[in-house]
Amino acid sequence: SQKIEQNSEALNIQEGKTATLTCNYTNYSPAYLQWYRQDPGRGPVFLLLIRENEKEKRKERLKVTFDTTLKQSLFHITASQPADSATYLCALPIPGYSSASKIIFGSGTRLSIRP
Amino acid sequence: NAGVTQTPKFQVLKTGQSMTLQCAQDMNHEYMSWYRQDPGMGLRLIHYSVGAGITDQGEVPNGYNVSRSTTEDFPLRLLSAAPSQTSVYFCASSYSIVDPREQFFGPGTRLTVL
Repeated sequence: SQKIEQNSEALNIQEGKTATLTCNYTNYSPAYLQWYRQDPGRGPVFLLLIRENEKEKRKERLKVTFDTTLKQSLFHITASQPADSATYLCALPIPGYSSASKIIFGSGTRLSIRP
Repeated sequence: NAGVTQTPKFQVLKTGQSMTLQCAQDMNHEYMSWYRQDPGMGLRLIHYSVGAGITDQGEVPNGYNVSRSTTEDFPLRLLSAAPSQTSVYFCASSYSIVDPREQFFGPGTRLTVL
C-alpha cells in the first residue's frame, strides 16, 4: 500500500536559518504533491503544489523540490522567522474511485524557530 | 464566501450514541473529504466524494458513513460511537481532483466519546 513518511517529527532551528523538511513516499508515483501548514487548533492551510514534471517551485521564502526518482520532496523555508513555527504536512493523491484519486497526508513535522 | 463550514465545533457523546457531523461548502467544489486527526498525528482520510452521488472509502472508514446528495453538503455519520473515535474531525473541499488545486479545510469538530 502507499505510504508517506515525514521523517522528522520535530525540527528546531534558529531564526534566520533555512529549515528543510522531508517527505518520502513509497509504492506509488503521484502526479503531484502538496504542502500544507497547520497551526495549533486550526485546520491545515495550503502552501504549495508541485507537479511530477516540475523539479522546483518557489513562493516567497518557500521552496519545494520534487525528485520522482528518489520518491522524495523537500520543503525549504529560507530566512526563517518565529512566525514560521507550525506543523507542516505533505499530501499526495493515490488511486481511488474509478479514475479519481484520494488525497492522503503524512504525519507532519513540527517546526520551531527560536529567536 | 463562507468557505468550508463545520458544525458542531465541539461534541461529547456516550459510547453507542450516533450523531452526524455537518460539513458544507459554498465554492461549488466537486471534491470533498473527511479526515480525522489524533494528537501528534497527521490527517487520516475517512471518506471522500468526487461529486454528488459518488463517495468512496479512505484509509480509516470503519464506523463511519457518508452521503453526498448535493454538491454543497457532505455529512459524516457515526453509527455507534466508540472511545476510539475521540478525535478532531476536519472536512475539506477542492475544486476538482482531476484538476488538482488546493484543499480548503473547515475549522474542525472536536469529538469526545466517553
